[in-house]
Amino acid sequence: DTAVSQTPKYLVTQMGNDKSIKCEQNLGHDTMYWYKQDSKKFLKIMFSYNNKELIINETVPNRFSPKSPDKAHLNLHINSLELGDSAVYFCASSQVSGIGQPQHFGDGTRLSIL
Amino acid sequence: DQQVKQNSPSLSVQEGRISILNCDYTNSMFDYFLWYKKYPAEGPTFLISISSIKDKNEDGRFTVFLNKSAKHLSLHIVPSQPGDSAVYFCAATYSGGSNYKLTFGKGTLLTVNP
Repeated sequence: DTAVSQTPKYLVTQMGNDKSIKCEQNLGHDTMYWYKQDSKKFLKIMFSYNNKELIINETVPNRFSPKSPDKAHLNLHINSLELGDSAVYFCASSQVSGIGQPQHFGDGTRLSIL
Repeated sequence: DQQVKQNSPSLSVQEGRISILNCDYTNSMFDYFLWYKKYPAEGPTFLISISSIKDKNEDGRFTVFLNKSAKHLSLHIVPSQPGDSAVYFCAATYSGGSNYKLTFGKGTLLTVNP
């Protein structure tokens, strides 16, 4: 049983295209996140939603738009893809009822821009 | 501006010996720290955490030590096993906020040799 699942696992596409990555969690958590791990291996928060409401929005180009249809899903849409968008994108979820609740991660989506 | 630093990109130890992974932070507001373990092609998995009100937390073979005055924490694994070979990420957050945003270090690749 996959707790946090992302699709697709790999995404290879041309510069300028628009693509989406989907994320679903079956843990009953109320908060979901998107992280980007770039070539330097840093994991950086991009967005966070709590009960479908945006609570974290880091300095991310507005070509990136998260969408949360319900608290079990957080999708990431990227417009006009650029070479610098090549990275691994991780979705995560947690129950933000207290600081002691760790985040659970999906296995990542490796995005490669040609 | 790296607020969480893991200065050793890699560490190699013999099976059965102790592994010590280090992490430094610069933001005095951080008061909760977590360690995550990551295998290739998988997402990070929560390992152990510590609140700033403690200086040690132990869970089986894993112990995390926190030195607040030095802004330093370490993860001890004893005895190390080949299955512990993975990338270990240190993460920090601030409990006073409402969203528990995690700031990650760059990770340390641990290799445990049989």
